[in-house]
Amino acid sequence: TQLLEQSPQFLSIQEGENLTVYCNSSSVFSSLQWYRQEPGEGPVLLVTVVTGGEVKKLKRLTFQFGDARKDSSLHITAAQPGDTGLYLCAGTTGGSNYKLTFGKGTLLTVNP
Amino acid sequence: DADVTQTPRNRITKTGKRIMLECSQTKGHDRMYWYRQDPGLGLRLIYYSFDVKDINKGEISDGYSVSRQAQAKFSLSLESAIPNQTALYFCATSDPGGSQETQYFGPGTRLLVL
Repeated sequence: TQLLEQSPQFLSIQEGENLTVYCNSSSVFSSLQWYRQEPGEGPVLLVTVVTGGEVKKLKRLTFQFGDARKDSSLHITAAQPGDTGLYLCAGTTGGSNYKLTFGKGTLLTVNP
Repeated sequence: DADVTQTPRNRITKTGKRIMLECSQTKGHDRMYWYRQDPGLGLRLIYYSFDVKDINKGEISDGYSVSRQAQAKFSLSLESAIPNQTALYFCATSDPGGSQETQYFGPGTRLLVL
């Protein structure tokens, strides 16, 4: 069973601060995805990274895939209250039998 | 209208009762999934189906069964509900896309088993 460890589990910060969330595994993944989930809703995909060392930016969010494709990070610059939510990383080993393995999530609260 | 809908959104039931959670999608996707979410445990896969004739167990299928009635419909049943099945249940859909495959989630069903 492939496990994805996310840290921290909880994060409470003030508006304007920067933060980084980590997603680590001992397994190699063909791709890693980051989802955001808001209360009362299902997770929504933010980004997919597939190449070791890849960096993707989505406005104030920067996603990085580790060189060995075992870990990933999400960095938010100048966090805003609208960034509040549960951030989930999910990995797949690819192939025809596609399934996602999810981390336990990081619950982020950005206070105004 | 939402692409992936789940009914009911909330359900309270008693131990031993049989209940069914339903999922419908208008995205035209072949692949459908059922997950449960528990605080501190993330999303765990219960069952998945890659087409109408295909049903596969996920990591926590004990106590659950599914039916893929059509491409657009995938239902989850709890034959005899127990309190530790209290959780938030999500349906998701996707189309084959290799490593870029995206899953689209419904809004969830909150289930309480007393």
